[in-house]
Amino acid sequence: AQSVTQLDSHVSVSEGTPVLLRCNYSSSYSPSLFWYVQHPNKGLQLLLKYTSAATLVKGINGFEAEFKKSETSFHLTKPSAHMSDAAEYFCVVSDRRDYKLSFGAGTTVTVRA
Amino acid sequence: KAGVTQTPRYLIKTRGQQVTLSCSPISGHRSVSWYQQTPGQGLQFLFEYFSETQRNKGNFPGRFSGRQFSNSRSEMNVSTLELGDSALYLCASSSDSSMGYTFGSGTRLTVV
Repeated sequence: AQSVTQLDSHVSVSEGTPVLLRCNYSSSYSPSLFWYVQHPNKGLQLLLKYTSAATLVKGINGFEAEFKKSETSFHLTKPSAHMSDAAEYFCVVSDRRDYKLSFGAGTTVTVRA
Repeated sequence: KAGVTQTPRYLIKTRGQQVTLSCSPISGHRSVSWYQQTPGQGLQFLFEYFSETQRNKGNFPGRFSGRQFSNSRSEMNVSTLELGDSALYLCASSSDSSMGYTFGSGTRLTVV
């Protein structure tokens, strides 16, 4: 079984400053890990994915995440926040054997002007 | 390339009624999954289909059912609706689950 813990329910940053969203996962198998973003009243958009290739993964809109197996973490970062980054972010794990995604509770990002 | 299309976008139903939601996956995607999103429970897995076969089912009562057609389109049905079924229902499709899923915009179901 797999599970995800997002360590912050809400993160507030100033525009132009770095963003860090923390995620720890648990999986009994070699996992695939994802970050999705959801803007208000929208579906989920895939930001980036880790699938056992490079541990530092680059995604869309300047986001990147680092897979650390020893720490079972997959934190999401962006060097400089933009107003359009205000949204809810989900860390997601899949162990590929049971054909389902397990979502974290989400982190709401607020960007201050 | 068209994305995942869910219809309808909004639905209002009365307790006790049943509802059918539809999902058209990205062309070529044979895996279709359904998720329920609520403020209290977050995103929860309902079921996954591949080539008309259900490969996994989440912990939902039997009132929730689904199916997939030969063209990969999928429907989910909820019978005997309860107030707690009010949620955003999201459909996702994939050609390879390890590479991630593409989500539709969802169907917002309100049960009154």
